[in-house]
Amino acid sequence: DTGVSQNPRHKITKRGQNVTFRCDPISEHNRLYWYRQTLGQGPEFLTYFQNEAQLEKSRLLSDRFSAERPKGSFSTLEIQRTEQGDSAMYLCASSSRRTSGEETQYFGPGTRLLVL
Amino acid sequence: AQKITQTQPGMFVQEKEAVTLDCTYDTSDQSYGLFWYKQPSSGEMIFLIYQGSYDEQNATEGRYSLNFQKARKSANLVISASQLGDSAMYFCAMREDGTGTASKLTFGTGTRLQVTL
Repeated sequence: DTGVSQNPRHKITKRGQNVTFRCDPISEHNRLYWYRQTLGQGPEFLTYFQNEAQLEKSRLLSDRFSAERPKGSFSTLEIQRTEQGDSAMYLCASSSRRTSGEETQYFGPGTRLLVL
Repeated sequence: AQKITQTQPGMFVQEKEAVTLDCTYDTSDQSYGLFWYKQPSSGEMIFLIYQGSYDEQNATEGRYSLNFQKARKSANLVISASQLGDSAMYFCAMREDGTGTASKLTFGTGTRLQVTL
């Protein structure tokens, strides 16, 4: 049973460049979440997919950010024209809702982004 | 107002002792879930334990137990028999079930636990 994987684990880029991160969820999970975590804070919700549909986006997700989950499996998060304020850990989580209504999100190892 | 409050930025505990990490929450929903995650220095968030708002018994998972006091809106994590490998950041999180389709989590600012010899 493989967990959630994310690539790359680390990314250093120059301000103004575009970056793309990938998340591979646990295979049987139909729900996928992206979070951002800055230093000294807990993760903050960015966006949510159920299968291939992006159903919710946070106000944190500016128009420079776009996320996709084209076949309802892996997801990508792209940041265009990166800014120094985008430096953070980007975490992906997946889950599926049980018939009881319970749902536990399992996180990947994260992608640590540094914008110079 | 903070939805999840963790008032202890850092805690120390001796190996083999028990430690309680505090968490209070704020919600007007009747149905919600409370979670604890562990984040080692590697960065991955590791799920530890879950408590549903309708669960009458406190959740337990091995050395972890959740002291759920609904009237006080607190969900403290108790780690028994601490081990050196328990040194990490610990985050309390809440899922509110009445806010759309996403079961997004709201996290506190975390408590850094250091286990000493």
